[in-house]
Amino acid sequence: EVQLVESGGGLVKPGGSLRLSCAASGFTFNSYSMNWVRQAPGKGLEWVSSISSSGDYIYYADSVKGRFTISRDNAKSSLYLQMNSLRAEDTAVYYCARVGEQLVVATYFDYWGQGALVIVSS
Amino acid sequence: QAVLTQPSSLSASPGASASLTCTLRSGINVGTYRIYWYQQKPGSPPQYLLRYKSDSDKQQGSGVPRRFSGSKDASANAGILLISGLQSEDEADYYCMIWHSDAWVFGGGTKLTVL
Repeated sequence: EVQLVESGGGLVKPGGSLRLSCAASGFTFNSYSMNWVRQAPGKGLEWVSSISSSGDYIYYADSVKGRFTISRDNAKSSLYLQMNSLRAEDTAVYYCARVGEQLVVATYFDYWGQGALVIVSS
Repeated sequence: QAVLTQPSSLSASPGASASLTCTLRSGINVGTYRIYWYQQKPGSPPQYLLRYKSDSDKQQGSGVPRRFSGSKDASANAGILLISGLQSEDEADYYCMIWHSDAWVFGGGTKLTVL
């Protein structure tokens, strides 16, 4: 059974940093691109970042470029999101999501975690 | 102007059909994109429904009923999610998504009420 479990969320002050993790199980992690998607309270979905199966290709939304860094450790079947210079508008539930086809970046997200809440507030 | 525009809300009756639109910004041709659709219920992550680019390039999500289908309206430059035989369990938020300029873009979402 595919499982994605996010951790690392919490309350952080503006300008602070936080690192989210996503532990994957139930599939061959190093064959799938992964993504972070966030959802502010009561708002819609916003894509944050994508990383290819090997980690060679990385993409960011303009809203987080230069502040967030996506990475993965295929040996540990884990995905990460390092978030620096956090702002109030980064407050959201952060989901990790797997793509539905092996070795493809630009395809649908078939499995999602339950999300990690990040609150940026003084 | 947003890349993808969805009506914020839509209401329909049980048993009826609902057509949810996802309009692409002027200058972005709907014909060249695969449009992905997701359903999200309160307190849960989104669930993948289907992909539609053309009748020869489409995909139904695993376990997604055939009541959910995709199409396009080229004249309106829009993707469409059609839900037929509406059921109370279809009440949810629906999002469209495309891969555009090396980035995923979500529409703002449509809240579908079944009443």
